[in-house]
Amino acid sequence: KAGVTQTPRYLIKTRGQQVTLSCSPISGHRSVSWYQQTPGQGLQFLFEYFSETQRNKGNFPGRFSGRQFSNSRSEMNVSTLELGDSALYLCASSPDRATPHEQYFGPGTRLTVT
Amino acid sequence: AQSVTQLGSHVSVSEGALVLLRCNYSSSVPPYLFWYVQYPNQGLQLLLKYTTGATLVKGINGFEAEFKKSETSFHLTKPSAHMSDAAEYFCAVIVNNAGNMLTFGGGTRLMVKP
Repeated sequence: KAGVTQTPRYLIKTRGQQVTLSCSPISGHRSVSWYQQTPGQGLQFLFEYFSETQRNKGNFPGRFSGRQFSNSRSEMNVSTLELGDSALYLCASSPDRATPHEQYFGPGTRLTVT
Repeated sequence: AQSVTQLGSHVSVSEGALVLLRCNYSSSVPPYLFWYVQYPNQGLQLLLKYTTGATLVKGINGFEAEFKKSETSFHLTKPSAHMSDAAEYFCAVIVNNAGNMLTFGGGTRLMVKP
Protein backbone atom coordinates (compact mmCIF):
# COMPACT_ATOMS: atom_id res chain seq x y z
CA LYS A 1 0.00 0.00 0.00
CA ALA A 2 1.11 3.52 -0.68
CA GLY A 3 1.88 5.54 2.43
CA VAL A 4 0.48 8.84 3.56
CA THR A 5 1.25 11.55 1.04
CA GLN A 6 1.35 15.26 1.68
CA THR A 7 1.50 18.07 -0.82
CA PRO A 8 3.29 20.29 -1.27
CA ARG A 9 6.43 19.26 0.56
CA TYR A 10 7.79 22.77 0.85
CA LEU A 11 6.03 26.10 0.81
CA ILE A 12 7.08 29.71 1.30
CA LYS A 13 4.43 32.31 2.06
CA THR A 14 4.30 35.89 3.18
CA ARG A 15 2.70 37.17 6.38
CA GLY A 16 -0.98 37.82 5.95
CA GLN A 17 -1.44 35.29 3.16
CA GLN A 18 -3.35 32.06 3.52
CA VAL A 19 -2.23 28.54 2.72
CA THR A 20 -3.85 25.17 2.07
CA LEU A 21 -2.06 21.90 2.71
CA SER A 22 -3.24 18.54 1.46
CA CYS A 23 -3.03 15.04 2.87
CA SER A 24 -3.96 11.75 1.24
CA PRO A 25 -4.26 8.93 3.78
CA ILE A 26 -3.41 5.30 3.29
CA SER A 27 -6.11 3.59 1.30
CA GLY A 28 -8.90 2.41 3.59
CA HIS A 29 -7.94 4.69 6.46
CA ARG A 30 -10.80 6.86 7.65
CA SER A 31 -9.15 8.94 10.35
CA VAL A 32 -6.80 11.79 9.50
CA SER A 33 -5.02 13.89 12.11
CA TRP A 34 -2.84 16.96 11.72
CA TYR A 35 0.11 18.02 13.86
CA GLN A 36 2.36 21.05 13.93
CA GLN A 37 6.04 20.59 14.72
CA THR A 38 8.24 23.53 15.71
CA PRO A 39 11.58 23.69 17.53
CA GLY A 40 10.05 25.71 20.35
CA GLN A 41 6.71 23.99 20.93
CA GLY A 42 7.52 20.51 19.69
CA LEU A 43 4.75 18.34 18.27
CA GLN A 44 1.26 19.67 18.87
CA PHE A 45 -2.07 18.21 17.84
CA LEU A 46 -4.17 20.39 15.56
CA PHE A 47 -7.28 18.36 14.77
CA GLU A 48 -8.62 14.95 13.80
CA TYR A 49 -11.18 14.12 11.19
CA PHE A 50 -13.11 10.88 10.90
CA SER A 51 -15.69 10.24 8.21
CA GLU A 52 -15.72 13.92 7.25
CA THR A 53 -16.42 15.06 10.82
CA GLN A 54 -14.02 16.85 13.12
CA ARG A 55 -13.68 14.61 16.18
CA ASN A 56 -10.99 16.37 18.18
CA LYS A 57 -9.45 19.80 18.10
CA GLY A 58 -6.25 21.05 19.68
CA ASN A 59 -5.60 24.41 21.23
CA PHE A 60 -4.99 26.49 18.13
CA PRO A 61 -6.64 29.74 17.02
CA GLY A 62 -9.51 29.78 14.57
CA ARG A 63 -7.12 30.72 11.76
CA PHE A 64 -6.34 27.03 11.58
CA SER A 65 -9.08 24.99 10.00
CA GLY A 66 -9.47 21.73 8.19
CA ARG A 67 -11.82 19.48 6.38
CA GLN A 68 -12.08 15.94 5.15
CA PHE A 69 -13.61 14.75 1.92
CA SER A 70 -15.68 11.65 1.25
CA ASN A 71 -12.59 9.83 -0.05
CA SER A 72 -10.88 10.56 3.34
CA ARG A 73 -8.43 13.03 1.81
CA SER A 74 -7.96 16.01 4.08
CA GLU A 75 -6.92 19.60 3.77
CA MET A 76 -5.90 22.11 6.36
CA ASN A 77 -6.01 25.83 5.88
CA VAL A 78 -4.20 28.58 7.72
CA SER A 79 -5.43 32.10 7.13
CA THR A 80 -3.69 35.38 7.86
CA LEU A 81 -0.32 33.74 8.24
CA GLU A 82 2.02 34.82 11.01
CA LEU A 83 5.76 34.29 11.30
CA GLY A 84 5.11 31.85 14.13
CA ASP A 85 3.19 29.58 11.80
CA SER A 86 6.46 28.51 10.23
CA ALA A 87 6.62 24.81 11.00
CA LEU A 88 6.56 21.29 9.73
CA TYR A 89 2.95 20.20 9.37
CA LEU A 90 2.45 16.47 9.67
CA CYS A 91 -0.54 14.47 8.68
CA ALA A 92 -1.27 11.02 10.10
CA SER A 93 -3.85 8.45 9.11
CA SER A 94 -5.38 5.61 11.05
CA PRO A 95 -7.77 2.82 10.03
CA ASP A 96 -10.44 3.47 12.60
CA ARG A 97 -10.88 5.08 15.99
CA ALA A 98 -11.86 1.76 17.47
CA THR A 99 -8.51 0.14 16.77
CA PRO A 100 -5.50 0.75 19.02
CA HIS A 101 -4.86 4.13 17.48
CA GLU A 102 -1.92 3.11 15.34
CA GLN A 103 -1.17 6.14 13.21
CA TYR A 104 0.94 6.40 10.11
CA PHE A 105 2.61 9.70 9.38
CA GLY A 106 3.35 11.40 6.11
CA PRO A 107 6.65 13.17 5.37
CA GLY A 108 5.19 16.57 6.23
CA THR A 109 4.89 19.95 4.58
CA ARG A 110 7.55 22.46 5.55
CA LEU A 111 5.91 25.90 5.69
CA THR A 112 8.08 28.99 5.90
CA VAL A 113 6.40 32.34 6.51
CA THR A 114 8.43 35.43 5.69
CA ALA B 1 -5.10 16.31 31.07
CA GLN B 2 -2.28 14.02 30.17
CA SER B 3 1.35 15.01 29.70
CA VAL B 4 4.55 13.30 28.65
CA THR B 5 8.05 14.04 29.90
CA GLN B 6 11.18 12.80 28.20
CA LEU B 7 14.22 13.14 30.41
CA GLY B 8 17.20 14.34 28.40
CA SER B 9 16.76 16.23 25.16
CA HIS B 10 20.08 14.80 23.93
CA VAL B 11 21.56 11.38 24.62
CA SER B 12 24.91 10.21 23.30
CA VAL B 13 26.05 6.58 23.29
CA SER B 14 28.86 4.64 21.68
CA GLU B 15 28.13 2.16 18.95
CA GLY B 16 27.37 -1.19 20.57
CA ALA B 17 26.37 0.36 23.90
CA LEU B 18 22.98 0.14 25.59
CA VAL B 19 20.41 2.71 24.54
CA LEU B 20 18.04 3.96 27.25
CA LEU B 21 15.58 6.76 26.50
CA ARG B 22 13.33 7.77 29.35
CA CYS B 23 9.66 8.61 29.22
CA ASN B 24 7.24 9.38 32.02
CA TYR B 25 3.60 10.20 31.59
CA SER B 26 0.80 11.57 33.66
CA SER B 27 -2.74 10.50 32.98
CA SER B 28 -5.83 10.13 35.08
CA VAL B 29 -6.92 7.08 33.10
CA PRO B 30 -4.91 4.18 31.64
CA PRO B 31 -3.26 5.43 28.48
CA TYR B 32 -2.06 3.95 25.27
CA LEU B 33 1.68 4.56 24.93
CA PHE B 34 3.85 4.90 21.85
CA TRP B 35 7.39 5.50 20.76
CA TYR B 36 8.03 7.14 17.40
CA VAL B 37 11.31 7.83 15.60
CA GLN B 38 11.99 10.71 13.24
CA TYR B 39 14.89 10.81 10.84
CA PRO B 40 15.98 14.15 9.34
CA ASN B 41 13.49 15.62 6.89
CA GLN B 42 11.07 12.77 7.38
CA GLY B 43 7.82 12.12 9.18
CA LEU B 44 7.38 9.93 12.23
CA GLN B 45 7.71 6.17 12.17
CA LEU B 46 6.08 4.01 14.84
CA LEU B 47 8.64 1.95 16.78
CA LEU B 48 6.29 0.24 19.20
CA LYS B 49 3.11 0.67 21.18
CA TYR B 50 1.50 -0.46 24.42
CA THR B 51 -2.25 -0.81 24.55
CA THR B 52 -3.13 -3.66 26.92
CA GLY B 53 -1.70 -7.00 27.96
CA ALA B 54 2.01 -7.76 28.22
CA THR B 55 3.88 -4.83 29.69
CA LEU B 56 7.13 -5.56 27.84
CA VAL B 57 6.63 -4.52 24.26
CA LYS B 58 8.97 -5.34 21.41
CA GLY B 59 9.20 -3.10 18.39
CA ILE B 60 11.10 -2.72 15.19
CA ASN B 61 14.87 -2.42 14.81
CA GLY B 62 15.55 -4.23 18.09
CA PHE B 63 13.88 -1.68 20.34
CA GLU B 64 11.67 -2.56 23.28
CA ALA B 65 9.89 -0.72 26.06
CA GLU B 66 8.33 -1.68 29.35
CA PHE B 67 5.15 -0.17 30.73
CA LYS B 68 5.47 0.34 34.48
CA LYS B 69 2.21 1.61 35.87
CA SER B 70 3.55 2.13 39.39
CA GLU B 71 6.30 4.37 38.03
CA THR B 72 4.17 5.89 35.24
CA SER B 73 7.05 5.15 32.90
CA PHE B 74 7.55 3.73 29.43
CA HIS B 75 11.30 3.77 28.86
CA LEU B 76 12.73 2.72 25.49
CA THR B 77 15.76 0.44 25.33
CA LYS B 78 17.97 -1.28 22.80
CA PRO B 79 20.80 -3.58 23.90
CA SER B 80 23.31 -2.49 21.28
CA ALA B 81 23.27 0.85 19.47
CA HIS B 82 23.93 1.08 15.77
CA MET B 83 24.99 4.14 13.83
CA SER B 84 21.69 4.01 11.95
CA ASP B 85 19.81 4.54 15.25
CA ALA B 86 20.87 8.19 15.33
CA ALA B 87 17.60 10.10 15.11
CA GLU B 88 15.04 11.89 17.26
CA TYR B 89 12.74 9.78 19.38
CA PHE B 90 9.34 10.80 20.66
CA CYS B 91 7.26 9.23 23.38
CA ALA B 92 3.53 9.80 23.05
CA VAL B 93 0.32 8.97 24.84
CA ILE B 94 -3.34 8.66 23.90
CA VAL B 95 -5.95 8.57 26.60
CA ASN B 96 -8.51 5.97 25.62
CA ASN B 97 -11.35 8.43 25.32
CA ALA B 98 -9.46 10.92 23.16
CA GLY B 99 -9.79 9.41 19.73
CA ASN B 100 -6.49 9.55 17.92
CA MET B 101 -5.13 12.64 19.63
CA LEU B 102 -1.49 11.98 20.42
CA THR B 103 0.21 14.01 23.14
CA PHE B 104 3.96 14.00 22.57
CA GLY B 105 6.95 14.44 24.79
CA GLY B 106 9.57 16.98 23.85
CA GLY B 107 11.73 14.43 22.07
CA THR B 108 15.20 13.00 22.65
CA ARG B 109 17.91 13.29 20.03
CA LEU B 110 20.04 10.16 20.07
CA MET B 111 23.60 10.47 18.88
CA VAL B 112 25.70 7.36 18.26
CA LYS B 113 29.47 7.68 18.36
CA PRO B 114 31.66 5.28 16.36
